[in-house]
Amino acid sequence: DVKVTQSSRYLVKRTGEKVFLECVQDMDHENMFWYRQDPGLGLRLIYFSYDVKMKEKGDIPEGYSVSREKKERFSLILESASTNQTSMYLCASSLSPGSTDTQYFGPGTRLTVL
Amino acid sequence: GENVEQHPSTLSVQEGDSAVIKCTYSDSASNYFPWYKQELGKGPQLIIDIRSNVGEKKDQRIAVTLNKTAKHFSLHITETQPEDSAVYFCANNQAGTALIFGKGTTLSVSS
Repeated sequence: DVKVTQSSRYLVKRTGEKVFLECVQDMDHENMFWYRQDPGLGLRLIYFSYDVKMKEKGDIPEGYSVSREKKERFSLILESASTNQTSMYLCASSLSPGSTDTQYFGPGTRLTVL
Repeated sequence: GENVEQHPSTLSVQEGDSAVIKCTYSDSASNYFPWYKQELGKGPQLIIDIRSNVGEKKDQRIAVTLNKTAKHFSLHITETQPEDSAVYFCANNQAGTALIFGKGTTLSVSS
């Protein structure tokens, strides 16, 4: 089975802190994604990557950056956390480039910024 | 930009009843329409998908229908069970690069 793991289930940070959210997949998938999930807003794409060191902006990239140094790992970085970044963050991966492959999601990280 | 509208946002049914969730989309180039189920405390999981070359697909108690002319697709769950209670998301591919998700439907099945 495909497994997508996220480094933390719950995280509490202070405004202005630099925050790293880590995601690892174990199935040699090409594509990796970061979403945020907020009540009433569904899943919104922040960034995705289709290859090592490649990244593409999603719908809401402002205030975030990403890093993909190895194929299995995709990191989301909040350079200076703000309270409006309090949310559930979901990582996903899919096998090949293109948008018609099944996405496999991690369990999510609930981030609270105080 | 492109979007997908999902209705209803909440749905309550009695065990054994059917449930229907509908989505409309705007990108006429979309050709892939998956449905994801998110149980409490977990990430979303694909339950069924349909591609634009077919109008309906079934998998046991769940089915998806697609009307490309009207740009809408629907999830049908028959003989609902308490374990069907979850949040359901529709999605479609936008410009061949990424999925756009609906805002979700919270389905509650009471026994």
